[in-house]
Amino acid sequence: DAGVIQSPRHEVTEMGQEVTLRCKPISGHNSLFWYRQTMMRGLELLIYFNNNVPIDDSGMPEDRFSAKMPNASFSTLKIQPSEPRDSAVYFCASSLRRIQETQYFGPGTRLLVL
Amino acid sequence: ILNVEQSPQSLHVQEGDSTNFTCSFPSSNFYALHWYRWETAKSPEALFVMTLNGDEKKKGRISATLNTKEGYSYLYIKGSQPEDSATYLCAFSGSGYALNFGKGTSLLVTP
Repeated sequence: DAGVIQSPRHEVTEMGQEVTLRCKPISGHNSLFWYRQTMMRGLELLIYFNNNVPIDDSGMPEDRFSAKMPNASFSTLKIQPSEPRDSAVYFCASSLRRIQETQYFGPGTRLLVL
Repeated sequence: ILNVEQSPQSLHVQEGDSTNFTCSFPSSNFYALHWYRWETAKSPEALFVMTLNGDEKKKGRISATLNTKEGYSYLYIKGSQPEDSATYLCAFSGSGYALNFGKGTSLLVTP
């Protein structure tokens, strides 16, 4: 199994630009999670989906952030417009069935907003 | 937000030392407790998941215990090696909730 796939692995952009992060969960997994890692706050859960439906987006920082899961094998996290404080590593993870089960993490996308 | 606390925040031991760290979590509405190992510049990898009070899990030199009544879990590493250097995260999940991660214990093992 290829594991959770994320792209791009690195992204450098200028403030105000739109950024789209992509995730392909492990085939057959029903739950998908987006996290942000920063030095100050550690690993923060932004949003999660179960069977492609957003369950809890209370961790999304503000309206500039949006996430979609159009099908079981693809999800996007979009930031528009991006700001320097959005610079972080963004992880996607998936779990087999229930949201409480073991999560398998992708390699992360390292985002730098100048 | 469900409070998951880990201690110590960081730990520096010599090769061959045994060590342990603590994770505390809400004792009500418990579903599962997870331990992850997170090496620098990589992504977190699952070590253990425990669901029953009194559970003990072991993988090589690493083991974990669980007390759901008092809301804590211990992770033990016997005979630490430099390759054990990583951040160890615990995560609590309650019924109806996704995983809540602690901030981790950063372990450095020097030869």
